[in-house]
Amino acid sequence: NAGVTQTPEFQVLKTGQSMTLQCAQDMNHEYMSWYRQDPGMGLRLIHYSVGAGITDQGEVPNGYNVSRSTTEDFPLRLLSAAPSQTSVYFCASSRAGQGTETQYFGPGTRLLVL
Amino acid sequence: GDSVTQMEGPVTLSEEAFLTINCTYTATGYPSLFWYVQYPGEGLQLLLKATKADDKGSNKGFEATYRKETTSFHLEKGSVQVSDSAVYFCALSDRTSGTYKYIFGTGTRLKVLA
Repeated sequence: NAGVTQTPEFQVLKTGQSMTLQCAQDMNHEYMSWYRQDPGMGLRLIHYSVGAGITDQGEVPNGYNVSRSTTEDFPLRLLSAAPSQTSVYFCASSRAGQGTETQYFGPGTRLLVL
Repeated sequence: GDSVTQMEGPVTLSEEAFLTINCTYTATGYPSLFWYVQYPGEGLQLLLKATKADDKGSNKGFEATYRKETTSFHLEKGSVQVSDSAVYFCALSDRTSGTYKYIFGTGTRLKVLA
């Protein structure tokens, strides 16, 4: 089983460039989310989705857009990259329920914005 | 809002030493509590969880008890191994407006020396 996959593994951008981080899962999970991981800050929630067509903001949504057109995919878009967005990005998925479910994480995308 | 506070790291121990990583939380409701582990270069994976007060989660020799009276979920292991070297994250599920999102602590790095 592939589980949660993320592409690319590593990316370098220049300030102002746009890009999309891809996330896909093959477990038919309703709940998907994006986090960024920064030193000393832990994981911070960017956006999440409880199903196709439904998304909501997390703790640090500014500068990021998401959409959820299928159950499997949850891409994260950076419209105009800034150095402050240099981070490691993790996508996660789980079954929807009562908040007791295990989240499954992808391997991460390391983004450097110059 | 809800939050998770973990002890600062890094924690350095000798093999076979006893491990405690402190985690406290603030929550308006009755969250589920989780410990996730991140090995070098990988995404997070669930270590254990507890869904209600006085529940004990356990896995791979690690244990944590959901203490509502002290709002704590401390992680313990009686005898650590070099292979336990990783970053450990405490997390809770936060129910807002009928949907759940997960809040993580800043992580505690554990280094076990042979």
